[in-house]
Amino acid sequence: DQQVKQNSPSLSVQEGRISILNCDYTNSMFDYFLWYKKYPAEGPTFLISISSIKDKNEDGRFTVFLNKSAKHLSLHIVPSQPGDSAVYFCAATVGTASKLTFGTGTRLQVTL
Amino acid sequence: DTGVSQNPRHKITKRGQNVTFRCDPISEHNRLYWYRQTLGQGPEFLTYFQNEAQLEKSRLLSDRFSAERPKGSFSTLEIQRTEQGDSAMYLCASSLRVSSTDTQYFGPGTRLTVL
Repeated sequence: DQQVKQNSPSLSVQEGRISILNCDYTNSMFDYFLWYKKYPAEGPTFLISISSIKDKNEDGRFTVFLNKSAKHLSLHIVPSQPGDSAVYFCAATVGTASKLTFGTGTRLQVTL
Repeated sequence: DTGVSQNPRHKITKRGQNVTFRCDPISEHNRLYWYRQTLGQGPEFLTYFQNEAQLEKSRLLSDRFSAERPKGSFSTLEIQRTEQGDSAMYLCASSLRVSSTDTQYFGPGTRLTVL
């Protein structure tokens, strides 16, 4: 049972434009959400997180939006840069339990 | 401090052999996690420690797998009698639990290939 889903395996965006990566979840107990970026042969790198008590969190070029009623979150990258090309994973966790449940990832390619 | 480190980075072994991986967390991080990632999938939780206590194990962690974190510092993950299905990237992460949520920081992983 895939509790965290990233339905777009890949996304291509031009440099300078907005990248929007989407994530859906089914477990209503999830209350903390994170986005990680992964380059080949490296471990995931933490990008940004959001608690379920918020609907938006912003950090520089990265903004995460959470729609609890739709069980949906999205990561916006503005403006997109070639160095943003990587695989992006959405992850979720429940309260004091710390194990992360990951989606399958979306490969973002930012073209010149 | 340079982050979470894992050794070895790559391991090739024959089916039936035992392998052991090591993870050194970020200094003073009290939580340490192991995940496994296969091709085309996201990381899957295996187990985690708070200090030296192993608090949770996934059902993915069969009897052939054992993890330890002596003295609450580094951790080892051992796989006995390896099978080809064990081929994967094994990721370690650490965090400092200070509130009801914490952020996990990952190491570079150990890629295991079982022939």
